[in-house]
Amino acid sequence: AQTVTQSQPEMSVQEAETVTLSCTYDTSESDYYLFWYKQPPSRQMILVIRQEAYKQQNATENRFSVNFQKAAKSFSLKISDSQLGDAAMYFCAYRRRGQGAQKLVFGQGTRLTINP
Amino acid sequence: DVKVTQSSRYLVKRTGEKVFLECVQDMDHENMFWYRQDPGLGLRLIYFSYDVKMKEKGDIPEGYSVSREKKERFSLILESASTNQTSMYLCASRTGNTEAFFGQGTRLTVV
Repeated sequence: AQTVTQSQPEMSVQEAETVTLSCTYDTSESDYYLFWYKQPPSRQMILVIRQEAYKQQNATENRFSVNFQKAAKSFSLKISDSQLGDAAMYFCAYRRRGQGAQKLVFGQGTRLTINP
Repeated sequence: DVKVTQSSRYLVKRTGEKVFLECVQDMDHENMFWYRQDPGLGLRLIYFSYDVKMKEKGDIPEGYSVSREKKERFSLILESASTNQTSMYLCASRTGNTEAFFGQGTRLTVV
């Protein structure tokens, strides 16, 4: 069974600084997706960034980038120039690629606080 | 924009009551999911459905059932609510290899 582990329950960073959230996963599959989701106090889960396992290039979305290490099964999220609006729970998630209702497997979450 | 709507944001029910949580999506997605979110545990899959009237158990189905009579609607049923089912419940839908879209969550308290 696939598992996702986020070992940092809480992180904090000063506004405008850079922070990195860690995620490791375990799978025997070779073709899959990895995601970072953000859940602000409104509770609406928002997709931050997505990485296809077959792509070697790390995904980036504006201030958000990932460090995807497939052999090490590591998938960290870097947030540059942190803003107050980045404060939220962040979840790392895994999904096998393929037909059918492939389920998302989530980590435990990391609560990110931005200090003004 | 895809919209996934859950019928209630907050719900308080008594132990032993039958509880229905409703989820509706407006993008003709074939796959729908119910997750439970608890602090320190992340999101755990309760049930999912890949077509009308089709359902499969997730990781923690005990104490829950689901219904999918129409493609756009996926209901989670607590047959006899218990206090250990106090939690946040999140519905999601997806098609193909697209991202999953989530509802705003229902915070259920069982007293």
